[in-house]
This record gives sequence, structure tokens and C-alpha cells, in this order.
Amino acid sequence: AQSVSQHNHHVILSEAASLELGCNYSYGGTVNLFWYVQYPGQHLQLLLKYFSGDPLVKGIKGFEAEFIKSKFSFNLRKPSVQWSDTAEYFCAVGSSASKIIFGSGTRLSIRP
Amino acid sequence: GAVVSQHPSWVICKSGTSVKIECRSLDFQATTMFWYRQFPKQSLMLMATSNEGSKATYEQGVEKDKFLINHASLTLSTLTVTSAHPEDSSFYICSALGQGDTGELFFGEGSRLTVL
Repeated sequence: AQSVSQHNHHVILSEAASLELGCNYSYGGTVNLFWYVQYPGQHLQLLLKYFSGDPLVKGIKGFEAEFIKSKFSFNLRKPSVQWSDTAEYFCAVGSSASKIIFGSGTRLSIRP
Repeated sequence: GAVVSQHPSWVICKSGTSVKIECRSLDFQATTMFWYRQFPKQSLMLMATSNEGSKATYEQGVEKDKFLINHASLTLSTLTVTSAHPEDSSFYICSALGQGDTGELFFGEGSRLTVL
């Protein structure tokens, strides 16, 4: 069965610090991987996705994620966070582009 | 990007009553929509896949007679929580698959249901 693990429930950083949010998945087959973000009071929206090709994926707002197949990981990174990055981040995995399952989410708080 | 809207955003009802939540794709047609349930500080749990013109596909453990889904048009899917009880109180979110092969889901703003 598919599963997604996000080990960090709440991360607190200062502005300009580097960010890495962990995501590990369990799935026996070809997977599509996603990171979604939910800013306070807003809808979930797609940050980036990996279907195939270059395992280093660039997303919006300076985020990137690296798919490491041998580690079943798809960690999210940003070299320098801003206060506006305060949000809930969800890793997701699916065998198709649509039917996906979500991790438990990581709440990111940025100190000004 | 594409817009998905849910209505109502908040609803409070008495135990035993039924509540309908609407999910609309405002500027695109969505043959497939998804319904999720989110408990506080937990992830989104996929409840069912709503297919336009056909029966919804429910995930294991989700009562189809409890959570009625209707996808009567390419822009509207509804979730009806029948005979609601306090344990049905939750945040319900819908999403729609964007057109083309973008692989992107567009989410509604969610509907918070409180059953007294």
C-alpha cells in the first residue's frame, strides 16, 4: 500500500535560513511525487511535481525538491526562506496524476 | 490558475440532519473531482473520486450511503453528509484535475462542518 511520511510536524526557522523538509514514501511501482502548500486562509496549491526525467525539480517561489529513488525520498528545499513562506507543506504521492495520497503535513513558521 | 470553489465555507447543523456541500470548477470543466476529509493537525484523507455522469468510487472504509456524491455536470460535484452525527464534524475539501496533462489538482477552500 502507498504511504507518505513527513517526519517534521513543525519547523521554526529565522528569515534567510535554509530549509529542508523531509518526505519519504512507500510504493511498489512508478510514482508521481508532489509538494503542495497551504498558506494561512488559502487553498492548497501545487509547489512542484515530479513525474520523470531530471530528479531535481524546480518549483515556484524558489523551492526545489530532489527525488532520490534509492532512498524513497522527495525532500523539499529552499536556500533562504522568507517570512511569507509561513505555511503548511504537504508531500503527496500517486500512481497517477490525480489520485494521490498526502503526508501528514509540516507546519513551517518563519520568525521575522 | 484554475479556480475551484466550495460552498458553504462553514455549516453548523443538528445531529440527524443532512448537509450538502458543493464543489464547483469555475473556469474549466472537470470530469473528475475528489473529496477529502481533514481532521485537525492531520493530513487530507481521500474519501472518494467523483466522476461526471457515473457513480463515485469510494475509498475503503468510507460509507457510500453516509457520504452521497453526485457529479451531475462537468463543473459541479456535491457531497451530502446524511444523518450527520458529531463524529462527522470535520473539514471537507474537494479538488478537480486540471485540463490537459498538467498533473495538477486544483483545490477548493474547504468546508467546515460542525454537527451539534
